[in-house]
Amino acid sequence: KNEVEQSPQNLTAQEGEFITINCSYSVGISALHWLQQHPGGGIVSLFMLSSGKKKHGRLIATINIQEKHSSLHITASHPRDSAVYICAVPPQGAQKLVFGQGTRLTINP
Amino acid sequence: NAGVMQNPRHLVRRRGQEARLRCSPMKGHSHVYWYRQLPEEGLKFMVYLQKENIIDESGMPKERFSAEFPKEGPSILRIQQVVRGDSAAYFCASSRDAWALEEQYFGPGTRLTVT
Repeated sequence: KNEVEQSPQNLTAQEGEFITINCSYSVGISALHWLQQHPGGGIVSLFMLSSGKKKHGRLIATINIQEKHSSLHITASHPRDSAVYICAVPPQGAQKLVFGQGTRLTINP
Repeated sequence: NAGVMQNPRHLVRRRGQEARLRCSPMKGHSHVYWYRQLPEEGLKFMVYLQKENIIDESGMPKERFSAEFPKEGPSILRIQQVVRGDSAAYFCASSRDAWALEEQYFGPGTRLTVT
């Protein structure tokens, strides 16, 4: 079993829909990262969070440390949100990230 | 402030040749991380370096791969005697402080194709 599991692996939705991507992890962590990988391959950091909730524009990330679970939400989704979304965690004591397998999101107009 | 820079962006090598991938971290960043993304697979950690030191190379293949981050100049990931299985996208990222506590900044990646 992977240390970081994401669901769903693939998600297709219509423009305007509310999107939720989930991430569960099995290791103790100090923070969790959400990344976005564009179709061209570039990677952008969206959030780093260690508790509660963070919001940036139409993106919202939440984390429950006790349940070892995080969610990424996109409100009013748009075709330009189509990308692969990746969660990643640094296992405690380790100076590296372990990545989920990614969720491929496609938003149709 | 320029972002993380990687070059070349695309690299084609024949089997048996050497590949050198370069990463210039953001200004003020002294922590560099290399990741590999095989076709249709997720990102995998390779190595974490600080200036002149390898901190964690637990993700590096034992043979043919090496990395350095000299006092002056970019970090270099070197792959000797490349094989077709080395074809992948190689990303580096940098941070001012240790990864776990810092937002990371990724370079655009180098796409290595071994023919």
